[in-house]
Amino acid sequence: DTGVSQNPRHKITKRGQNVTFRCDPISEHNRLYWYRQTLGQGPEFLTYFQNEAQLEKSRLLSDRFSAERPKGSFSTLEIQRTEQGDSAMYLCASSSGTGGVWDNEQFFGPGTRLTVL
Amino acid sequence: DAKTTQPPSMDCAEGRAANLPCNHSTISGNEYVYWYRQIHSQGPQYIIHGLKNNETNEMASLIITEDRKSSTLILPHATLRDTAVYYCIVRVAGGGATNKLIFGTGTLLAVQP
Repeated sequence: DTGVSQNPRHKITKRGQNVTFRCDPISEHNRLYWYRQTLGQGPEFLTYFQNEAQLEKSRLLSDRFSAERPKGSFSTLEIQRTEQGDSAMYLCASSSGTGGVWDNEQFFGPGTRLTVL
Repeated sequence: DAKTTQPPSMDCAEGRAANLPCNHSTISGNEYVYWYRQIHSQGPQYIIHGLKNNETNEMASLIITEDRKSSTLILPHATLRDTAVYYCIVRVAGGGATNKLIFGTGTLLAVQP
């Protein structure tokens, strides 16, 4: 399968614990995005990487959230000291483009559903 | 990016055309109209995009009014598998603009057998 993959697909954790999610983009894609989606709402942008550089972060990304893409391939999203309000679907997307060239299509993974008890 | 307004839900009979409207009255000249859809428990999927001309691909057609203040996504022969939430997004493209997508709450299209 050459699509975007995310692991784990589901995560249940207790409040205060740390969690880490992984995203593997389509192999030739240099751009990677993280979004968060709560029930009944559309996805909300969290952060964007071009290769290994994190070029944009949403104000939604509090200090407890950190994202990395160390080699410009897979990415991880870590949430420290989870809160019940962090319960959501975390979506990863990838696309291709260079410099100021914009991408027509972002390819989304299936998401990681986080439940914080 | 400009905001969009979509009806929260629509029904369509299987085999008939589904016409999904979107208002984007504050759209700027350099903003494109994009459509994505999200089938239950899956990530969003790109459908089509356009600037001012009508566009068609294997999935759908996009009709943009001459004043660009509204658009319609047309699924010519809806099937049960087209049941999904459809998102209309306007987005500046190119020239260093942000690449992020700003989703609203979309339209839940229910295709009825």
